[in-house]
Amino acid sequence: DVKVTQSSRYLVKRTGEKVFLECVQDMDHENMFWYRQDPGLGLRLIYFSYDVKMKEKGDIPEGYSVSREKKERFSLILESASTNQTSMYLCASSLRGGTNEQFFGPGTRLTVL
Amino acid sequence: KNQVEQSPQSLIILEGKNCTLQCNYTVSPFSNLRWYKQDTGRGPVSLTIMTFSENTKSNGRYTATLDADTKQSSLHITASQLSDSASYICVVSSPTGGGNKLTFGTGTQLKVEL
Repeated sequence: DVKVTQSSRYLVKRTGEKVFLECVQDMDHENMFWYRQDPGLGLRLIYFSYDVKMKEKGDIPEGYSVSREKKERFSLILESASTNQTSMYLCASSLRGGTNEQFFGPGTRLTVL
Repeated sequence: KNQVEQSPQSLIILEGKNCTLQCNYTVSPFSNLRWYKQDTGRGPVSLTIMTFSENTKSNGRYTATLDADTKQSSLHITASQLSDSASYICVVSSPTGGGNKLTFGTGTQLKVEL
């Protein structure tokens, strides 16, 4: 059973703080993704990674950075949190090739005050 | 611009009834189409996947259809249960140089009531 875990279910931070969201998958997947989900907008891709130490910008990378030092772990970093980054953040992983089914973590609901 | 549109936005049905959710897309080129179920406070879970050559796929009480010519898909839920209350998201995959790009619909929020 594929398992994708995220470090926190709920997080409250203040404007200007540096925020780390951690994601770990246990199925040796090559690909990992970070999305944010907002009402009426669906899931939007922030960053993704096809391999260790490799990262690619998604559709909305501004204000975010990522780190992938190990295959199983993909971190999303908000260098200076702002109120418009209040959202649900979802991590996903998938195998390279095939049907590319993405397996999602439970999400982190981040509130920036 | 690649888009995925779902209807209705929300739906309330009585337990035991059937319902059908719609998905129209303009994504091109096309690789596959998935329906995901997302329970409140959880990540999405894949229900079905269909490629270009498939026009129907079932998973228990869930049956998805695909018309690649008109770029439409539907998800039919039979004999609904309270546990079917969730958001249902249509996702279309398009091949890119490095893999696949996913375009997500905004979902249909289904509530099943007694």
